[in-house]
Amino acid sequence: QSVLTQPPSASGTPGQRVTISCSGSSSNIGTNTVNWYQQLPGTAPKVLIYNNNERPSGVPDRFSGSKSGTSASLAISGLQSEDEADYHCAVWDDSLNGPEFGGGTKLTVL
Amino acid sequence: QVQLQESGPGLVKPSETLSLTCTVSGASISSYYWSWIRQPPGKGLEWIGYIYYDGSTNYNPSLRSRVTISKDSSKRQVSLKLTSVTAADTAVYYCAREGAEDESGYFDYWGQGSLVTVSS
Repeated sequence: QSVLTQPPSASGTPGQRVTISCSGSSSNIGTNTVNWYQQLPGTAPKVLIYNNNERPSGVPDRFSGSKSGTSASLAISGLQSEDEADYHCAVWDDSLNGPEFGGGTKLTVL
Repeated sequence: QVQLQESGPGLVKPSETLSLTCTVSGASISSYYWSWIRQPPGKGLEWIGYIYYDGSTNYNPSLRSRVTISKDSSKRQVSLKLTSVTAADTAVYYCAREGAEDESGYFDYWGQGSLVTVSS
């Protein structure tokens, strides 16, 4: 059971905007920066967002991150079929003295 | 281009030691923090531990008594040992590079992962 709570699933149709939430506490999201990873089936995670809202080069601007208090969100606009994947949030946790991962959200493109 | 490649046995017997090696190309392992992360089948990601510039380590408390992470800069390798394994240790094991100047959970490069099954 992760200390970061994500919905187990989300869905949307092509072109739609979807958001995935990540809820934590004062020892993680409330104090530290949030990172988001995309994991396509059978592959390693790939960073989409780091430092709450920064995108590595090569990540489309359809992906954006935000944080407020002890919660964070990943938004995907202009949803495409290739966005179908698992999405994980990750945050340094001061209680663990290490990074915590959310349980992951499986995004289905209908 | 930075590449990470995990290697090691895919099958380990219960109570034995799991050993994996991550070979790094395109980056000096002395200049970054490196982590091992695992993912049981159908489940989420779990951080195992970090090794830092000076070779010091930081482990997940839930695994601390059984885990050792080390590095060999001359071979550009980071290694993981997990003792007294059980079926609960069956997972895909990833090595990853910390992308920030300090620990943050931002891993910018990952290996492709190595599936380790614990079974007799």
